[in-house]
Amino acid sequence: GENVEQHPSTLSVQEGDSAVIKCTYSDSASNYFPWYKQELGKGPQLIIDIRSNVGEKKDQRIAVTLNKTAKHFSLHITETQPEDSAVYFCAASRGGNNRLAFGKGNQVVVIP
Amino acid sequence: GAVVSQHPSRVICKSGTSVKIECRSLDFQATTMFWYRQFPKQSLMLMATSNEGSKATYEQGVEKDKFLINHASLTLSTLTVTSAHPEDSSFYICSAEEYRGSSNQPQHFGDGTRLSIL
Repeated sequence: GENVEQHPSTLSVQEGDSAVIKCTYSDSASNYFPWYKQELGKGPQLIIDIRSNVGEKKDQRIAVTLNKTAKHFSLHITETQPEDSAVYFCAASRGGNNRLAFGKGNQVVVIP
Repeated sequence: GAVVSQHPSRVICKSGTSVKIECRSLDFQATTMFWYRQFPKQSLMLMATSNEGSKATYEQGVEKDKFLINHASLTLSTLTVTSAHPEDSSFYICSAEEYRGSSNQPQHFGDGTRLSIL
């Protein structure tokens, strides 16, 4: 089955700086890659997703890039703010029953 | 849009009690819903996939008689933890796939249910 690796496990950044989280996946048939943000005591919130037919997608301060050849995708957060502090999960799916394989999560801490 | 409501948010009960958790898609139809379990500081572990009008598909190692799933309508799925014991204490989260006529549509998550068995 699909195996998603996520690095680093913890990331601290100064407010205003950029944060980058990288994920790798093992199944070359995976074609859908969402990113979720989870705040303490809440469920994951979908923040951005990308499909395998595009290499980059941007939504305001958030962007995701996909390299199908290398089988990795990254989340970029620019101009970080304290409210960006949370756990971020990447995931991958190959369609069909749409089962998502999640990475282990990344704790992002934005220091004011 | 794409709101998933999960209820209750917190349950504390005695060992041996059965607990029902509801997951509703409020503003979209969901032919498929998923149930996850999450331990502290860990990732989400898929327990089962629930399709409207059919039996749920359970992941390996998940007891289907212990975790009963019903998906009776396009907007509601329920998870019942039967005869709960302390080891069933966990954070249970549902998600609903926003149906748009093809596969690989976004999954939207509820805010989870914190289950504590005494």
